[in-house]
Amino acid sequence: QSALTQPASVSGSPGQSITISCTGTSSDVGGYNYVSWYQQHPHKAPKLMIYDVSNRPSGVSNRFSGSKSGNTASLTISGLQAEDEADYYCSSYTRSSTLWVFGGGTKLTVL
Amino acid sequence: QVQLVESGGGVVQPGRSLRLSCAASGFTFSIFGMHWVRQAPGKGLEWVAVIWYDSSNKYYADSVKGRFTISRDNSKKTLFLQMNSLRAEDTAVYFCARQVGETFYFDYWGQGTLVTVSS
Repeated sequence: QSALTQPASVSGSPGQSITISCTGTSSDVGGYNYVSWYQQHPHKAPKLMIYDVSNRPSGVSNRFSGSKSGNTASLTISGLQAEDEADYYCSSYTRSSTLWVFGGGTKLTVL
Repeated sequence: QVQLVESGGGVVQPGRSLRLSCAASGFTFSIFGMHWVRQAPGKGLEWVAVIWYDSSNKYYADSVKGRFTISRDNSKKTLFLQMNSLRAEDTAVYFCARQVGETFYFDYWGQGTLVTVSS
């Protein structure tokens, strides 16, 4: 069982917006602004999409945005495109003995 | 451009050892913290270990503590993971990933190397 909880799957049509949630505790998501999000296409390496809750690395589309409220972080993808279909993982630093934790991943299907 | 290339994976019997390598290029390896993250078949990501840029600190996930050892050779721009007493549940693709300074995210990842622990 993953330390952070994500929905197993979400879907949306091209052009629509979707939001993926990531729920943790006050020891990780709620305690630090160190949530990051990764996109992973099948059999590929993960790619950083959002860091420190809401910052986008250079080269990542502004259709991707992140936010946090309490112990839950969210990734929103607007103007869905076919290429967005992938698995998405959240991650957070944690003050537990395992310093970094991931969510179980969310499979995004673009209908 | 930044490149991380893992190697050393394969099939190994339970209880045996394996050493993974991650060759870095395209950046100044010696100033970045480095991590190992793994992904069991069909499962999510699991953080494994981190080593500071100068090897002064190393931390491990509880699931591998006492069995795995992370190390690096800055002169050869290479990261290592020595895995001992391997178990079936260690079967996974192992990724190396880069950490920028005192941040808490992984900005570049390798393509991964598959480790299968099976008799």
